[in-house]
Amino acid sequence: GAVVSQHPSRVICKSGTSVKIECRSLDFQATTMFWYRQFPKQSLMLMATSNEGSKATYEQGVEKDKFLINHASLTLSTLTVTSAHPEDSSFYICSARLTEGLAGGPYEQYFGPGTRLTVT
Amino acid sequence: GESVGLHLPTLSVQEGDNSIINCAYSNSASDYFIWYKQESGKGPQFIIDIRSNMDKRQGQRVTVLLNKTVKHLSLQIAATQPGDSAVYFCAAPPGNKLTFGGGTRVLVKP
Repeated sequence: GAVVSQHPSRVICKSGTSVKIECRSLDFQATTMFWYRQFPKQSLMLMATSNEGSKATYEQGVEKDKFLINHASLTLSTLTVTSAHPEDSSFYICSARLTEGLAGGPYEQYFGPGTRLTVT
Repeated sequence: GESVGLHLPTLSVQEGDNSIINCAYSNSASDYFIWYKQESGKGPQFIIDIRSNMDKRQGQRVTVLLNKTVKHLSLQIAATQPGDSAVYFCAAPPGNKLTFGGGTRVLVKP
């Protein structure tokens, strides 16, 4: 259980266009989802916390008007990169949080497979 | 500020040997820690977690040790296999979120 999918897995877009990335929890409901960005050979950096039915909470330095997040249902969150530029090229990863972890921990985040965005 | 970091960026290990990956954290209030494995081009995969009221937890071929006195945790992989080659991250949740360490790449030599 606890499978998270992302679509697309890979996208190439032209500078100035917008790209939407979907994150779905396939076999559970997730009131909270997270969006991360990962540059090559670096760690994951949290961009924002997405809560179903409410506005996302963005980390310091992340432009909320550029990275639009919508969490309209308990199984779907979307990240739209607006007016993308080459510096937005990165690996975008979402995760969904379980209230009670499958392994017995207080909670766990299950990660999607990531979306490789390349802006030309 | 709060940080979770790793001592070694790359660990080369002979197949069959044990691997030890270390992680230091700065927030003494952290009460839960998680180890993730990330293979190239994929999202992180949960390996094992530990609460702060424990100092050791074992899983299948993996053991996590927590030393709260020095704010250090480690991941031990027994009998390392080629499929263990990946980047390993420790993470700690400040509240609802996760802060990730810098990652250690494990390379398994045949």
